[in-house]
Amino acid sequence: KQEVTQIPAALSVPEGENLVLNCSFTDSAIYNLQWFRQDPGKGLTSLLLIQSSQREQTSGRLNASLDKSSGRSTLYIAASQPGDSATYLCAVDRNNAGNMLTFGGGTRLMVKP
Amino acid sequence: GAGVSQSPSNKVTEKGKDVELRCDPISGHTALYWYRQSLGQGLEFLIYFQGNSAPDKSGLPSDRFSAERTGGSVSTLTIQRTQQEDSAVYLCASSLALPTGAGYTFGSGTRLTVV
Repeated sequence: KQEVTQIPAALSVPEGENLVLNCSFTDSAIYNLQWFRQDPGKGLTSLLLIQSSQREQTSGRLNASLDKSSGRSTLYIAASQPGDSATYLCAVDRNNAGNMLTFGGGTRLMVKP
Repeated sequence: GAGVSQSPSNKVTEKGKDVELRCDPISGHTALYWYRQSLGQGLEFLIYFQGNSAPDKSGLPSDRFSAERTGGSVSTLTIQRTQQEDSAVYLCASSLALPTGAGYTFGSGTRLTVV
């Protein structure tokens, strides 16, 4: 059974810092990995999708990397802003007919002005 | 539509009542998924549809939960005889046909409160 772990569970940083969120998964037979953002009381917003054959994806100040063999992904946020405060979730797409996502527990990020 | 639409956005119901939650996926997305997020918990898979059929119902927590999808589009999640432990945010997502490389698009969710 696929298990996805995110470290740290919570993170508080001053504005302007560069930061790294970590995601690890136990079964490397994945189809893709997706990072989401969730604001309090809201649904999920997709940030980046990395196919299993890719090493990284970039969007603005966000960069996500994938090392499938070691079961790890990182989300790098450059020059953090208070508006980045949210919960960040990584989700692994299993490589089977069910095609469902297995989510990590999330990292709650607070960026202080 | 442009995104995944869920209604209602909030629902407060009395214990024992039935509720229906609606999900309208992105046009052309043949796969549709329901997840539940309880307070302080991660996302829990409930059920998914490929077209109108549900190959995997293993995540439904009890027989009080059911879901259907008609016309390969709108889906309804029904909870009968609601209990307080059913209180959660119910999220719907859709994607292109299996296997998908385009990822999933989530709706904003329905926050259900059972009092």
